[in-house]
Amino acid sequence: GAVVSQHPSRVICKSGTSVKIECRSLDFQATTMFWYRQFPKQSLMLMATSNEGSKATYEQGVEKDKFLINHASLTLSTLTVTSAHPEDSSFYICSARVGGKDTQYFGPGTRLTVL
Amino acid sequence: GESVGLHLPTLSVQEGDNSIINCAYSNSASDYFIWYKQESGKGPQFIIDIRSNMDKRQGQRVTVLLNKTVKHLSLQIAATQPGDSAVYFCAEKNSGYSTLTFGKGTMLLVSP
Repeated sequence: GAVVSQHPSRVICKSGTSVKIECRSLDFQATTMFWYRQFPKQSLMLMATSNEGSKATYEQGVEKDKFLINHASLTLSTLTVTSAHPEDSSFYICSARVGGKDTQYFGPGTRLTVL
Repeated sequence: GESVGLHLPTLSVQEGDNSIINCAYSNSASDYFIWYKQESGKGPQFIIDIRSNMDKRQGQRVTVLLNKTVKHLSLQIAATQPGDSAVYFCAEKNSGYSTLTFGKGTMLLVSP
């Protein structure tokens, strides 16, 4: 149980284009999903908290107009990196938790490379 | 600001040894702690968690110890195997919040 998937696992795009990453909870309903960013050999940095049916809460320093988050259902959240630039290249990971529970279960991550 | 940190960035052990990975935290309001294992190129995998009203919790080959007096958390892995090689992160949750704050991570290298 508590399986989270992400799609795509890898994406390469040109500078200036937008990329959408999907995060799905496969066997449970996730009232809250989280989006993280991780640089090589570093820890996970929380970007935003996404609650189903409401606007995401972004961490300080994260541009909400650049990283669009949508949580339209209890099993799906999407992160869209708009007008991507090389500095946006990173490993993006989502997590999900069941309402009322503290444990977060993570997806396998998406490697984004912007050329 | 308050943060979660680790003492050892890299831990090298022999197969069969017991491993201990340490984590210091500074937020006395944290009420939930969790350990994750992350293999290269993959997402973090849940290992074990503990609430602040406990000081020890055991799983399969793993034990988490919590010392609230000195704000210290440890993960013990018994009979370490090569498949245990990964980066291990501790994370804490502040009471009243849903977000986790992650430590810097410890690389565990297990030699056969």
